Amino acid sequence: DAGVTQSPTHLIKTRGQHVTLRCSPISGHKSVSWYQQVLGQGPQFIFQYYEKEERGRGNFPDRFSARQFPNYSSELNVNALLLGDSALYLCASSPWTSGSDEQFFGPGTRLTVL
Amino acid sequence: DQQVKQNSPSLSVQEGRISILNCDYTNSMFDYFLWYKKYPAEGPTFLISISSIKDKNEDGRFTVFLNKSAKHLSLHIVPSQPGDSAVYFCAVQYYGGSQGNLIFGKGTKLSVKP
Repeated sequence: DAGVTQSPTHLIKTRGQHVTLRCSPISGHKSVSWYQQVLGQGPQFIFQYYEKEERGRGNFPDRFSARQFPNYSSELNVNALLLGDSALYLCASSPWTSGSDEQFFGPGTRLTVL
Repeated sequence: DQQVKQNSPSLSVQEGRISILNCDYTNSMFDYFLWYKKYPAEGPTFLISISSIKDKNEDGRFTVFLNKSAKHLSLHIVPSQPGDSAVYFCAVQYYGGSQGNLIFGKGTKLSVKP
């Protein structure tokens, strides 16, 4: 069975540009969450989506947005990129069948902002 | 302020010996605790978890201990193997809350020497 997939694997952008990152969850999983991991830190929660609705949002500016599609895949969008947005962006999926389902992470997208 | 602290950035252990990784948290409302393992160029992989109603959970070579009064949890790996060399993240969650909202520590890099 395929795990969580993310695309692209690496991306280089310049300040002020916009970026779209994509995530496909494990088949049957309806919840997708996004995390940002900067060097030397643990992953930090950005968004969670379930059944195409936003169910949770972390402490990130409005430049960050996301959406979930009918097939449960998801996109994370970041506008007006800053140097500090350089990070590994992780997507995680879970089935959402109980209060605390295990989350399965993808390999991440490495974003570099120059 | 960090809600989840892993105060040891790195740990080196001899193969066959015990590895003990520690984690402290600040909020007594947290009621679900997880450990993830991360290899370079891969996403975090779920290792083991424990709910606040327990004080110990075992899975093979891995045991997690929870001390609620001290707001402390630890991961024991016995015996340690070279393949265990990775970054280990402690994460906490509110049970029944936003399932995507895992709060991670900064991680501890474990090196198991043959």
